[in-house]
Amino acid sequence: NAGVTQTPKFQVLKTGQSMTLQCAQDMNHEYMSWYRQDPGMGLRLIHYSVGAGITDQGEVPNGYNVSRSTTEDFPLRLLSAAPSQTSVYFCASRVGGTLSGANVLTFGAGSRLTVL
Amino acid sequence: DQQVKQNSPSLSVQEGRISILNCDYTNSMFDYFLWYKKYPAEGPTFLISISSIKDKNEDGRFTVFLNKSAKHLSLHIVPSQPGDSAVYFCAASPIRLIQGAQKLVFGQGTRLTINP
Repeated sequence: NAGVTQTPKFQVLKTGQSMTLQCAQDMNHEYMSWYRQDPGMGLRLIHYSVGAGITDQGEVPNGYNVSRSTTEDFPLRLLSAAPSQTSVYFCASRVGGTLSGANVLTFGAGSRLTVL
Repeated sequence: DQQVKQNSPSLSVQEGRISILNCDYTNSMFDYFLWYKKYPAEGPTFLISISSIKDKNEDGRFTVFLNKSAKHLSLHIVPSQPGDSAVYFCAASPIRLIQGAQKLVFGQGTRLTINP
């Protein structure tokens, strides 16, 4: 059981380039989300999805695009990378419905992105 | 506007002693709180949670206390072990709100170091 798998683990981009961070989960979780972690800022929600075909914005959505065509996959697209998007990105998933002690986010190992 | 705040970026504790990590929140709609633990180069992992209907939840060496009137929660680790050295994130969610229930807000994190 792989859990939440993120690729790539590391990526360096030039300003203006586009790329996609991949996220896949094999737990049949309805809910998936993307966070970014920055020093002194904690984890901030970028976008989330409550099921295939449904996405919504989080706290810091600008410059990012998502889609959810299948239950398993939730890619994060950077349309035109900027140095401010240098960060560590985490994908997370959980069963749908209400958050509870048994229904909490499972995180991937992270993708470290540097934009020059 | 940081709705969940961990004001201590770091904490150093002697092995065997008690570690106390603190978290404050400003949003009175938050009614479910979690602590996550993160090791370097890994994703955060769930540690313990508490609902606003309780003021204490215990799981082995870990206890979370919630003071709703002060909008404050704390994580106690007793006794502290070297393997507890990690970054700890506090998180909160307004699970009563249909839209808000999908958003988990994290604090900045506290780096805990357990000294032998």
